[in-house]
Amino acid sequence: RKEVEQDPGPFNVPEGATVAFNCTYSNSASQSFFWYRQDCRKEPKLLMSVYSSGNEDGRFTAQLNRASQYISLLIRDSKLSDSATYLCVVNLPGASYDKVIFGPGTSLSVIP
Amino acid sequence: NAGVTQTPKFQVLKTGQSMTLQCAQDMNHNSMYWYRQDPGMGLRLIYYSASEGTTDKGEVPNGYNVSRLNKREFSLRLESAAPSQTSVYFCASRGTSGGRPFGPGTRLLVL
Repeated sequence: RKEVEQDPGPFNVPEGATVAFNCTYSNSASQSFFWYRQDCRKEPKLLMSVYSSGNEDGRFTAQLNRASQYISLLIRDSKLSDSATYLCVVNLPGASYDKVIFGPGTSLSVIP
Repeated sequence: NAGVTQTPKFQVLKTGQSMTLQCAQDMNHNSMYWYRQDPGMGLRLIYYSASEGTTDKGEVPNGYNVSRLNKREFSLRLESAAPSQTSVYFCASRGTSGGRPFGPGTRLLVL
């Protein structure tokens, strides 16, 4: 099993729709979780951290399910500008450095 | 604040040529990283530096060397480029929250 897995998509949704992505991780001892977005031919940018109790930032909601070892990202009222690839990032405890694993990303296209 | 800056933005090399990718950050971060991104592979760590004066190998260090010149700068060197090193290279640093700001990337093509 890969350390971090994501459905590559693409997810094609109309403007205004709600869309959710899941990301599964293999190391049950992982403690830090993040969602990044990456626009085409640009660098990844931190979207939000994911906290144990779940957290919201405007139209974006992140959830953590430790029992099933996945994190999710919910986007409400999708905008055209949300079109991007969303990367799930999970830390790998036990490494000699602050190691994180980047998932391969889920592609989202929001259609007018 | 410029954040993380990288040069060059694009580079074409012939097999066997060498080059250095430059990275600098102005956020006073201790940790800095070099990643490569290939289609379908996600971001993979090449080298990292936990603090000024220290560097260590990541997942895919073969064919690369690094220098942490000072707290701000972390360079990546390809001594003898190979076509397998064609990729997009990103430099990043690490803030106290754990999030990593990235530089804009260097697109490298090795012929």
